[in-house]
Amino acid sequence: QTVVTQEPSFSVSPGGTVTLTCGFSSGSVSTSSYPSWFQQTPGQAPRTLIYNTNTRSSGVPDRFSGSILGNKAALTITGAQADDESHYYCLLYVGRGIWVFGGGTKLTVL
Amino acid sequence: EVQLVESGGRWVQPGTSLRLSCAASGFTFDDYAMHWVRQAPGKGLEWVAGVSWKGGSRAYADSIKARFIISRDNAKNSLYLQMNSLTPDDMGFYYCAKGVGSTWDDVFHIWGQGTKVTVFS
Repeated sequence: QTVVTQEPSFSVSPGGTVTLTCGFSSGSVSTSSYPSWFQQTPGQAPRTLIYNTNTRSSGVPDRFSGSILGNKAALTITGAQADDESHYYCLLYVGRGIWVFGGGTKLTVL
Repeated sequence: EVQLVESGGRWVQPGTSLRLSCAASGFTFDDYAMHWVRQAPGKGLEWVAGVSWKGGSRAYADSIKARFIISRDNAKNSLYLQMNSLTPDDMGFYYCAKGVGSTWDDVFHIWGQGTKVTVFS
């Protein structure tokens, strides 16, 4: 069973920069993992931020960016705003049509 | 505008079956892979199943394999999830999502608003 790991929680100051990461419990994330990032606030459907490592979804501001850092995927938020306070989920492709979400990171802006 | 509208969620008893539907509009449905994702109450997102553009390739999460069947009717621009032998662990919101491409290794990026499934005796 493939496990995708994320920081359970993170905090950032308004205007600050934060990088959330996403990795495999065993092995490295690469562009062939097609890492994607989603934002979800309580009671709402998820919103796609980044897909295929670094492609921003339509309407997503450029202060959200995706990359590979070492053996993990990363989501960087620059100039954090109060309404960035949310849950962030990553998604990785593990092969044969199967995708696995990470457990999510609760981001606090304070 | 791309729209995905899920339906079919309701309260059911454990051990029974349920079929969810997702009506798609605003894009050429049969050009894209489609997926189902669920979220149990207070929990994270879980990818459930995906199907390629013509329905020839299907994949499932280990947690639901052999109980759920994903299918699509391209003539009706619709995606389905047949769920059998439901347990309380299957309870939650079910979202359909549109792939960025036609195959099962194309990630999804557009979501519906979800339909709620309650499994309770």
